[in-house]
Amino acid sequence: EDKVVQSPLSLVVHEGDTVTLNCSYEVTNFRSLLWYKQEKKAPTFLFMLTSSGIEKKSGRLSSILDKKELFSILNITATQTGDSAVYLCAVARMEYGNKLVFGAGTILRVKS
Amino acid sequence: DGGITQSPKYLFRKEGQNVTLSCEQNLNHDAMYWYRQDPGQGLRLIYYSQIVNDFQKGDIAEGYSVSREKKESFPLTVTSAQKNPTAFYLCASSIGQRQYFGPGTRLTVT
Repeated sequence: EDKVVQSPLSLVVHEGDTVTLNCSYEVTNFRSLLWYKQEKKAPTFLFMLTSSGIEKKSGRLSSILDKKELFSILNITATQTGDSAVYLCAVARMEYGNKLVFGAGTILRVKS
Repeated sequence: DGGITQSPKYLFRKEGQNVTLSCEQNLNHDAMYWYRQDPGQGLRLIYYSQIVNDFQKGDIAEGYSVSREKKESFPLTVTSAQKNPTAFYLCASSIGQRQYFGPGTRLTVT
């Protein structure tokens, strides 16, 4: 059965800290891995990764994929209270429907 | 202003009643999806549709039904057969692998 596992399940840090969120997967016919941020309602897209070793960056956020070891990390540097959210990892398979398999998410709380 | 709208934001129903959740998109996306989110479980796929008048069951379709009569609309009906319907429901549409989400509907059944 396909699965996506995120760790840690929750994390509390202070403003200015750097955090690393993990996502491992066992999915047949892997196509891509996506990261989303969910603050209260709608998840918003962060990154889509398809190739190993190529870091994607957006401001203080970055992510990288390792297709050999089947995992991805999401880094957030110089955290701010606005980074507090649930971070979701999802994997797309090469199949009809472009369905995503989601992990349970990591709850990040940044304290001021 | 393009996007996905879901209504209502909050919905309360008595056990045994069917309820329909609305999802509309003006992104001109062919594909649409319904997910259920429970605490600690991430998003689970209920139904998806790649094209008008066609839809497929996801991983947890029992107790739910959908229709796709128009490209921009994909309503979800939660029937009385769904054993544990209280949850947060998210609708999404996509072009390729990237999915865009609506703001969700929180359904409470008592």
